[in-house]
Amino acid sequence: RKEVEQDPGPFNVPEGATVAFNCTYSNSASQSFFWYRQDCRKEPKLLMSVYSSGNEDGRFTAQLNRASQYISLLIRDSKLSDSATYLCVVNKNPGTYKYIFGTGTRLKVLA
Amino acid sequence: NAGVTQTPKFRILKIGQSMTLQCTQDMNHNYMYWYRQDPGMGLKLIYYSVGAGITDKGEVPNGYNVSRSTTEDFPLRLELAAPSQTSVYFCASSQQGANTEAFFGQGTRLTVV
Repeated sequence: RKEVEQDPGPFNVPEGATVAFNCTYSNSASQSFFWYRQDCRKEPKLLMSVYSSGNEDGRFTAQLNRASQYISLLIRDSKLSDSATYLCVVNKNPGTYKYIFGTGTRLKVLA
Repeated sequence: NAGVTQTPKFRILKIGQSMTLQCTQDMNHNYMYWYRQDPGMGLKLIYYSVGAGITDKGEVPNGYNVSRSTTEDFPLRLELAAPSQTSVYFCASSQQGANTEAFFGQGTRLTVV
């Protein structure tokens, strides 16, 4: 089993749609979780951290489910500019900085 | 602030050649990282450093070396380049702390022929 797994997609959704991605992780001791966004041929940029209680930033909501070992990202009212690859990132070893990246989920928002 | 700066942006190497990928950051971050990203794949950690003089291996260190003589600089050395090292290389830095954001450079696209 991969340490961090994501559905590669692509998810093709119309503008205004709500879309959700999940990411599963294998190490139950993992402590830090993030969603990064990567545009084509660009560097990854932090979208949001994922906290135990869940967190929201505008149209984006992140959730953590420790029992089932997955994190999720919900995007409401999708915009064309949301088209990108969304990378799930997990720090698998508490106290270290070995961040493990998923392969990413590709989102295409269609006009 | 320039953030994280990588040079060169593109490079073609012949098999067996060596080169150094440069990375510098001006945010006074203690933590620095080197990742590689193959087409359609996630980023894999090559090496990381928690401060000047301290480096450690990541998931895929074979064929690479690093050094960290200053807080700002974290060069990645490829010895005896192989086609399997064709990839996009990203350098990143972060402050100390488990939930801190990593800032990435724009990447170096390396092709080994």
